[in-house]
Amino acid sequence: QKEVEQNSGPLSVPEGAIASLNCTYSDRGSQSFFWYRQYSGKSPELIMFIYSNGDKEDGRFTAQLNKASQYVSLLIRDSQPSDSATYLCAVNDRGGSTLGRLYFGRGTQLTVWP
Amino acid sequence: ETGVTQTPRHLVMGMTNKKSLKCEQHLGHNAMYWYKQSAKKPLELMFVYSLEERVENNSVPSRFSPECPNSSHLFLHLHTLQPEDSALYLCASSQDEGGVTEAFFGQGTRLTVV
Repeated sequence: QKEVEQNSGPLSVPEGAIASLNCTYSDRGSQSFFWYRQYSGKSPELIMFIYSNGDKEDGRFTAQLNKASQYVSLLIRDSQPSDSATYLCAVNDRGGSTLGRLYFGRGTQLTVWP
Repeated sequence: ETGVTQTPRHLVMGMTNKKSLKCEQHLGHNAMYWYKQSAKKPLELMFVYSLEERVENNSVPSRFSPECPNSSHLFLHLHTLQPEDSALYLCASSQDEGGVTEAFFGQGTRLTVV
């Protein structure tokens, strides 16, 4: 059974702060990792993906992956109230040219207050 | 139209009814998925189709019956559902060869079984 664990939160940070979201996964064979954002009543939308150990930056977002520790995180710098949403960590047990069988965590609810 | 579209957005049905959910993707992807999202639970993968062929059925009860007539369309036929089947049903698609295999989600169908 592949498990993806996230702190459910809620995580509350002030506007302009750094929000740190964490995720651990059980399957050492996992190869690709995704962060989705889901606003209330909406569908998930992809914001970051990462395949290799280390950091990957995209604007205010940084994904960090440590396969040895089976840990992936998402940092949001200069948090804005519009970042308030549930963040879903997803793990794919295959990479490259195979189907996107994603295993999701329960999500962490983030609130950024002005 | 672009992306992944689902209809209807909301559905209320009795336990003896038969209804169908529809999904259409305009992304040229080869793989399509049905996910179930219940309150306080992770997104659950239900079915995976690749090039119109079902490649995965995650122990879903037979009262849920998927159909994929072509790579752009996916249906979920529902009959004799139970109240615990009430949830958000999400359709997704992905490119199943090469590149980043992230899933793009539709807006979902909010299903209530009464």
